[in-house]
Amino acid sequence: AQSVAQPEDQVNVAEGNPLTVKCTYSVSGNPYLFWYVQYPNRGLQFLLKYITGDNLVKGSYGFEAEFNKSQTSFHLKKPSALVSDSALYFCAVRDDNTDKLIFGTGTRLQVFP
Amino acid sequence: DVKVTQSSRYLVKRTGEKVFLECVQDMDHENMFWYRQDPGLGLRLIYFSYDVKMKEKGDIPEGYSVSREKKERFSLILESASTNQTSMYLCASSDPDPRAFFGQGTRLTVV
Repeated sequence: AQSVAQPEDQVNVAEGNPLTVKCTYSVSGNPYLFWYVQYPNRGLQFLLKYITGDNLVKGSYGFEAEFNKSQTSFHLKKPSALVSDSALYFCAVRDDNTDKLIFGTGTRLQVFP
Repeated sequence: DVKVTQSSRYLVKRTGEKVFLECVQDMDHENMFWYRQDPGLGLRLIYFSYDVKMKEKGDIPEGYSVSREKKERFSLILESASTNQTSMYLCASSDPDPRAFFGQGTRLTVV
């Protein structure tokens, strides 16, 4: 069965420093992978996706993610963090058979001034 | 922009009540989903629907049912609300891209 794991409950980073939010996946076929962000009292917003092609995927708000097949990882990255990036981040995988999205437990990113 | 609208932001219901959570999307998406979000557990899929009148159980369907009579509307029903159903409920629809679009969420408290 498809699944994703986010090993860190919280990531703290200083403003201006690079950030990484980790995600590993387990799929039986080709992975369809996603990152979503949730700001306080809001629904989730799509950031980026990997379907096929380049391993480095660029998304909204300056975020990017690196797909690594050998390590079964899809880490979210940003070269220079902003305080406004502080939010809850979810990694997700799509089940090929049913189209349903399976989410990780989320990682809270805190960017300090 | 795609809009997914959930009928209520906050609800307080009594134990044993029948509760309806409504979700409407305006982009003619075939797939719609209901999730509940709890701290430390992430999003868990309750039910999803890939067409009108079609529904599939997700990971935690017990105590819930759904209705999809029209393509744009997907309703979640708590047959007899219990305190362990106090949670944030999120509705989503997805396009063929694929991307999912989420509503603002309904925070339900069962007392």
